[in-house]
Amino acid sequence: DGGITQSPKYLFRKEGQNVTLSCEQNLNHDAMYWYRQDPGQGLRLIYYSQIVNDFQKGDIAEGYSVSREKKESFPLTVTSAQKNPTAFYLCASSIGWGQENMNTEAFFGQGTRLTVV
Amino acid sequence: AQKITQTQPGMFVQEKEAVTLDCTYDTSDPSYGLFWYKQPSSGEMIFLIYQGSYDQQNATEGRYSLNFQKARKSANLVISASQLGDSAMYFCAMREAFPSGGYQKVTFGTGTKLQVIP
Repeated sequence: DGGITQSPKYLFRKEGQNVTLSCEQNLNHDAMYWYRQDPGQGLRLIYYSQIVNDFQKGDIAEGYSVSREKKESFPLTVTSAQKNPTAFYLCASSIGWGQENMNTEAFFGQGTRLTVV
Repeated sequence: AQKITQTQPGMFVQEKEAVTLDCTYDTSDPSYGLFWYKQPSSGEMIFLIYQGSYDQQNATEGRYSLNFQKARKSANLVISASQLGDSAMYFCAMREAFPSGGYQKVTFGTGTKLQVIP
């Protein structure tokens, strides 16, 4: 079945360590997104990518990095520079970026819950 | 400035009653899309309904309808005949293109926690 797979579901990190969250999609979507969600809060955009080898900072990019070497993959690295990384991370994808695709919704993965110990 | 504003952190509704969840948005782009998602306690995001900025009629999907008032920049979600399974967080989101075109991003509101009471 087509969809978005995030792994792992739960992740524990020691302070000072970098950690990479995986996001893979087989929907042939051009656009991919990473969001952070804190308890009881909305989704805040970290990074997004419209095409391979290109990505843009979202509203809270500091302390995070991404790559988009393949269309189906958009990994997120939480670096030691991120002061408060404990959160729920959601990856999403959507069709293209033209005006004709404005009405297409974003599809989400199941999320990764990151805890700093 | 907030792009998407949801002013109701929490709402209660009696089972089988209708409920309206508020959403206002801010954009200068004439072309945009508005979405509502449901997030149960499991954390998954479930797409509910979409409204395009050029759509003349309000969107409907089963028990969900969207009260779109473009001049007021509001896109309220109406859930009719509430069910216990409707208890969840509900997020309003907007997809817009940058003035230079091409790139788009999807931004979300802070959400409304809906609890359906038996």
